[in-house]
Amino acid sequence: DTAVSQTPKYLVTQMGNDKSIKCEQNLGHDTMYWYKQDSKKFLKIMFSYNNKELIINETVPNRFSPKSPDKAHLNLHINSLELGDSAVYFCASSQVPPQTQYFGPGTRLLVL
Amino acid sequence: ELKVEQNPLFLSMQEGKNYTIYCNYSTTSDRLYWYRQDPGKSLESLFVLLSNGAVKQEGRLMASLDTKARLSTLHITAAVHDLSATYFCAVAQRVEYGNKLVFGAGTILRVKS
Repeated sequence: DTAVSQTPKYLVTQMGNDKSIKCEQNLGHDTMYWYKQDSKKFLKIMFSYNNKELIINETVPNRFSPKSPDKAHLNLHINSLELGDSAVYFCASSQVPPQTQYFGPGTRLLVL
Repeated sequence: ELKVEQNPLFLSMQEGKNYTIYCNYSTTSDRLYWYRQDPGKSLESLFVLLSNGAVKQEGRLMASLDTKARLSTLHITAAVHDLSATYFCAVAQRVEYGNKLVFGAGTILRVKS
């Protein structure tokens, strides 16, 4: 009965590859988010969706494309991976913002 | 643009001691959050502070918010080893179609026995 789940937990891949990370929440929340946590543990929001609509799109390379098939799912697709994309990516969800955000376990991406 | 500063960034303390982590932010907001992150783990919500003067307590941790000073504090009382973790404050910022959280850099807390 995990609240916010992500797959995969670990992702090791070569530069130039394309990869996807999936996120699902069973909390009935309306809003979902993607965050990037870099090697210095700094957390920055990338995207936010509310009821399948993109509402926040930070300054993120357009190699990153989020997709929300329904309000319980938010996936992140990354094209042409670069070394600098190595980080931990967290999915989160909340009820109508700015309620508390609940974070998934994270996906540790390593680009070689 | 909203900036959130935490200090100290690293805190090493003895068990049984008290200490305070500070979180300053640069523009008006009325919602502030504290999260805990254990190494290699996700973020766990500790407190949500919704108004000026709000104070919340859970065990040995107490958080407060002063919106006029744009300052929140996380006070640790009689620290124990289990409190070792990274603590983040995050401030809600209104954007065009909603709100986003802007996080501080985090405070790494190490409690030594």
